[in-house]
Amino acid sequence: QQQVRQSPQSLTVWEGETAILNCSYEDSTFDYFPWYRLFPGESPALLIAIRPVSNKKEDGRFTIFFNKREKKLSLHITDSQPGDSATYFCAASGNYGNEKITFGAGTKLTIKP
Amino acid sequence: DPKIIQKPKYLVAVTGSEKILICEQYLGHNAMYWYRQSAKKPLEFMFSYSYQKLMDNQTASSRFQPQSSKKNHLDLQITALKPDDSATYFCASSHGLGGNTGQLYFGEGSKLTVL
Repeated sequence: QQQVRQSPQSLTVWEGETAILNCSYEDSTFDYFPWYRLFPGESPALLIAIRPVSNKKEDGRFTIFFNKREKKLSLHITDSQPGDSATYFCAASGNYGNEKITFGAGTKLTIKP
Repeated sequence: DPKIIQKPKYLVAVTGSEKILICEQYLGHNAMYWYRQSAKKPLEFMFSYSYQKLMDNQTASSRFQPQSSKKNHLDLQITALKPDDSATYFCASSHGLGGNTGQLYFGEGSKLTVL
């Protein structure tokens, strides 16, 4: 059973629109939720992360919205740019990130100019 | 310059053979990991090491054997290769398993194709 689920599997939006990537999790002990971004041919890299003490984390055009009760979170990318095209992985960890990080299957995002 | 070096970047192997994937990190981290990504599955945790000791093993098959000769090395030996082993294998590291921020730093991956 997947501990971290992402949807959609792939997403295409036009440049300038807001892309919304969804994530849900099973384990209520998870307390650290990073998002990693993977460009083709490169390494996954941390983009933004949130802990359940907050229900929102913002970093420039990237915002995480977190709903602890429903065990859901989403990544919003505003004013999407072609350079944002990549695969985005939602991940989760327990013990304030001290336990292994479990990844979702990823959402492949394509921004059309 | 890449701080986590994986070798080789690409490799092709025949079924039943054995390969070793090399990983070295120059970030001064104490914890190292192997993750696997295939078309059918998410970025999948395989092993974690801390100070050269195995901390967690989520790989069911004993065909996968991590080897740590130095604190900044974590190689992955795969024996009796199968086509289902075809995937990109990512090495990663973090400051430590205890007290870290949860941030993983990844290598560029070794893409393995088993024919």
